[in-house]
Amino acid sequence: GQQLNQSPQSMFIQEGEDVSMNCTSSSIFNTWLWYKQDPGEGPVLLIALYKAGELTSNGRLTAQFGTTRKDSFLNISASIPSDVGIYFCAGQLSRDDKIIFGKGTRLHILP
Amino acid sequence: DAGVIQSPRHEVTEMGQEVTLRCKPISGHDYLFWYRQTMMRGLELLIYFNNNVPIDDSGMPEDRFSAKMPNASFSTLKIQPSEPRDSAVYFCASILITGELFFGEGSRLTVL
Repeated sequence: GQQLNQSPQSMFIQEGEDVSMNCTSSSIFNTWLWYKQDPGEGPVLLIALYKAGELTSNGRLTAQFGTTRKDSFLNISASIPSDVGIYFCAGQLSRDDKIIFGKGTRLHILP
Repeated sequence: DAGVIQSPRHEVTEMGQEVTLRCKPISGHDYLFWYRQTMMRGLELLIYFNNNVPIDDSGMPEDRFSAKMPNASFSTLKIQPSEPRDSAVYFCASILITGELFFGEGSRLTVL
């Protein structure tokens, strides 16, 4: 079945550093999504991408929908302590289709 | 709107007992998803509904799991009988626009 591979699985960075993470798929998606999960809560949508090649920003976050429709990237600039959490990519083929999640990238910020 | 509401937030039960998890989606959302989250397997889609009708239940682990959506404002996920390997956080999520899932806070299940 469809699988999303996220990398890296975890990251340890210093506050102020930029962060990059990506997600690849064995099949195409027409919607790519990035979510963040804080401890004890459900994931929250950060950015939604609906068009191949699309580059979208949300504050310090920037995400891109890969031109092959099989990958997506999320960058966080100038990380701050509240960026700590698990970041998930997700893909959906069409409006009526299932939404598949990657296993997440766990972001840690060193003091 | 109060968002997606799940209950209970935490449940501890013994192996063999029946477990029922409940979800109230956001009013007006026409899709409802049930996910299970574990460290090993991440967020797994169990089943999803459109307008109260199950569309894809291929992620339901086995016959011990069942889900219903009797109306647009309520869904249940039932495990009978429960087993220790069912211990996980179960999330319900609803959606109005493509891809923009709104998650509940989850139900943490521990089966002893």
